[in-house]
Amino acid sequence: AQSVTQPDIHITVSEGASLELRCNYSYGATPYLFWYVQSPGQGLQLLLKYFSGDTLVQGIKGFEAEFKRSQSSFNLRKPSVHWSDAAEYFCAANMLPNDMRFGAGTRLTVKP
Amino acid sequence: NAGVTQTPKFQVLKTGQSMTLQCAQDMNHEYMSWYRQDPGMGLRLIHYSVGAGITDQGEVPNGYNVSRSTTEDFPLRLLSAAPSQTSVYFCASRSGTGNTGELFFGEGSRLTVL
Repeated sequence: AQSVTQPDIHITVSEGASLELRCNYSYGATPYLFWYVQSPGQGLQLLLKYFSGDTLVQGIKGFEAEFKRSQSSFNLRKPSVHWSDAAEYFCAANMLPNDMRFGAGTRLTVKP
Repeated sequence: NAGVTQTPKFQVLKTGQSMTLQCAQDMNHEYMSWYRQDPGMGLRLIHYSVGAGITDQGEVPNGYNVSRSTTEDFPLRLLSAAPSQTSVYFCASRSGTGNTGELFFGEGSRLTVL
């Protein structure tokens, strides 16, 4: 069955430390892949997306993600986390027409 | 820039009551959708529409009805609310009907069914 998995429910990092959020998908082909961020009480905002080509994609707010076909992964990274990055992060994939599937989300806490 | 507007933001219902969550977008997007967000489950697609007069079911459609009479509006109806429908509901829209476009989300509607 098509699915998106985010193995980490909650991650805590210190401000200034690096960050990696994991995402794996299960699908017979390469889907279109997205990372969204949700601040408390808000809707979701797109950070970045991958369709094809270069496997390292840059997004807003200093985030990047790397697509690895062999691992069916699309991990999100940031070299140095800021307190304002505390939020919930969702990986998503368009596997079927008009059906975007989301992972369960990873909540990021940033320690001062 | 209004984007996607959802009303109401908060609603409390009793079991068996009906209500409609409103969604409007001003970006002339063809595609609109409704998701529900539950803790530990991410967002799950309820219904979607690829244009006026065209709707289809998503992953969790039971208990919900939709219609799309205009490009701008896509209301979600709960005909007989159940406690299992307590959730945060998000409306989202996208230009085009393919798989590559970014979804634009409303701020959500928090529904509690007692």
